[in-house]
Amino acid sequence: GAVVSQHPSWVICKSGTSVKIECRSLDFQATTMFWYRQFPKQSLMLMATSNEGSKATYEQGVEKDKFLINHASLTLSTLTVTSAHPEDSSFYICSASRGSEQFFGPGTRLTVL
Amino acid sequence: DAKTTQPPSMDCAEGRAANLPCNHSTISGNEYVYWYRQIHSQGPQYIIHGLKNNETNEMASLIITEDRKSSTLILPHATLRDTAVYYCITFGKLIFGTGTRLQVFP
Repeated sequence: GAVVSQHPSWVICKSGTSVKIECRSLDFQATTMFWYRQFPKQSLMLMATSNEGSKATYEQGVEKDKFLINHASLTLSTLTVTSAHPEDSSFYICSASRGSEQFFGPGTRLTVL
Repeated sequence: DAKTTQPPSMDCAEGRAANLPCNHSTISGNEYVYWYRQIHSQGPQYIIHGLKNNETNEMASLIITEDRKSSTLILPHATLRDTAVYYCITFGKLIFGTGTRLQVFP
């Protein structure tokens, strides 16, 4: 199957700093990527849909100015958590579409101190 | 809101078949049914998907009812490594429900 990578796999940062998470489709081009967040013992929650070359579409309740998404190429989408706070600590997962299939990255664990 | 409903948990003996049900009564005609699983602290792993015909691959079988309002994922010979949370999703936009936590025991 297709491979989606995320970098970094984990990150610890101080409150108030910004953190960038990369999502790459390694062996296919993805015009659409998705970003999810998962808190402990909960399901994945869709945050936003990232479309190459256009603005991301955010789900209700997700602050677009706090979670900046850039999808500058067909193989890379980035999520930047700006001015991170402890409540932003979570597991962030991206996925990439290839036709009718959806492939997920391994996730990035963010801990904000 | 999730468009699928699944039992919160199931147990299965190692070596036996695990049958995981899913209701998706509001599915539209062109929406696929996807199954993923998530092992603790990892990204979801694709298992199988289908539109209206039953499907089988090396991991599992997918049985979709004729009216497409429900489906069943079958793991024919469950192993301890199949212990995970299994999600049934109708594709258009992948909205995850709470899934079924499958526990395979020796």
